[in-house]
Amino acid sequence: AQSVTQLDSQVPVFEEAPVELRCNYSSSVSVYLFWYVQYPNQGLQLLLKYLSGSTLVKGINGFEAEFNKSQTSFHLRKPSVHISDTAEYFCAVSEVLTGGGNKLTFGTGTQLKVEL
Amino acid sequence: DTEVTQTPKHLVMGMTNKKSLKCEQHMGHRAMYWYKQKAKKPPELMFVYSYEKLSINESVPSRFSPECPNSSLLNLHLHALQPEDSALYLCASSQDWDRNYNEQFFGPGTRLTVL
Repeated sequence: AQSVTQLDSQVPVFEEAPVELRCNYSSSVSVYLFWYVQYPNQGLQLLLKYLSGSTLVKGINGFEAEFNKSQTSFHLRKPSVHISDTAEYFCAVSEVLTGGGNKLTFGTGTQLKVEL
Repeated sequence: DTEVTQTPKHLVMGMTNKKSLKCEQHMGHRAMYWYKQKAKKPPELMFVYSYEKLSINESVPSRFSPECPNSSLLNLHLHALQPEDSALYLCASSQDWDRNYNEQFFGPGTRLTVL
């Protein structure tokens, strides 16, 4: 079974500082990896995805992530955070289902708190 | 239109009530999903529909009954729920004709409270 691990439950950071949110995955087959953001009392919004190709993936709101097969990692980075980036961030791995659709398995999430 | 809509936004129900959650998308997606999310936890998959057929049921209790009347609509019928079923229920959709591009789009969720 595929899984992802987010080791950091909370990451505090000052505004305009860089940030890295860590994600490690476990999979024996082709990997499809995603980062989603969830603001309070809202649904999930896709930040970026890795399906194949270039290992450096750029997403929305200035976020990027690097797929590293040898380290089985997909860490999320932003060079300068803003107060509005305060939210819960979920790493997820996708598995194609035989009967149709795909199953997203999420990590436990990382709460990013940006402080002034 | 890249939006998944869910109604109602909030729902309070007693343990003997019957209610339904509704999800709609007009992106032409052929796979739709129900997730349950408890506070401070990640979403957990409940059901997957592909081309209006149930693809997966993640061992969800029968008091939750999904229905996919057409390719744009997904319902979740609720009956005899327990207080521990209180959660945010999220709907999502994906295109499903090219599995290499399987991004899921999420709705804003329905906040359910069972008294």
